[in-house]
Amino acid sequence: GAGVSQTPSNKVTEKGKYVELRCDPISGHTALYWYRQSLGQGPEFLIYFQGTGAADDSGLPNDRFFAVRPEGSVSTLKIQRTERGDSAVYLCASSFTSLGAGELFFGEGSRLTVL
Amino acid sequence: SQQGEEDPQALSIQEGENATMNCSYKTSINNLQWYRQNSGRGLVHLILIRSNEREKHSGRLRVTLDTSKKSSSLLITASRAADTASYFCATDALTSGSARQLTFGSGTQLTVLP
Repeated sequence: GAGVSQTPSNKVTEKGKYVELRCDPISGHTALYWYRQSLGQGPEFLIYFQGTGAADDSGLPNDRFFAVRPEGSVSTLKIQRTERGDSAVYLCASSFTSLGAGELFFGEGSRLTVL
Repeated sequence: SQQGEEDPQALSIQEGENATMNCSYKTSINNLQWYRQNSGRGLVHLILIRSNEREKHSGRLRVTLDTSKKSSSLLITASRAADTASYFCATDALTSGSARQLTFGSGTQLTVLP
């Protein structure tokens, strides 16, 4: 596609439920990133993929969060047993390569609200 | 945690005036980038400055970098109402191994009044 696509754009769920957020990066981009952004704050790094493997998952807050990118393209961020504190906008970004400097191309985000 | 801190947190100016936003960071960097975010939207890359560069221009944007002070500034000249957005600095510092993180600051909310 022309840009990074994220679905759903909005998700409202109840505490304790399981949620999946999807990211479709720009074609040909090998690096894929997930960030989380709370209201009035900058994006906070969660996890980064180079190809199919998670090269750095140091930003995942706990083991309720997990992400996959099985074929090196689309990625899914999975959140188990959601808590109200998980409410935020989850941003996905992609880039040509993680090696050296380069700009990230962001999607519009998935706004998660946990009631 | 967020490495960069923007200053001011909020800035309101009249159309036609210049807007200056500052960013300070903590660790050594490879490069520093500035992004813009309109309300409810994703981030859009504006400009990248490498650690061995001191100043860079792109259209109405001017970015400076002072690695000795670990700070950067973004100047928007002749501002327009359409420049109203949040502006974030982001630093690219190699972590251990080959992984790379782009760490964002908390942002400056710029409002340009028509």
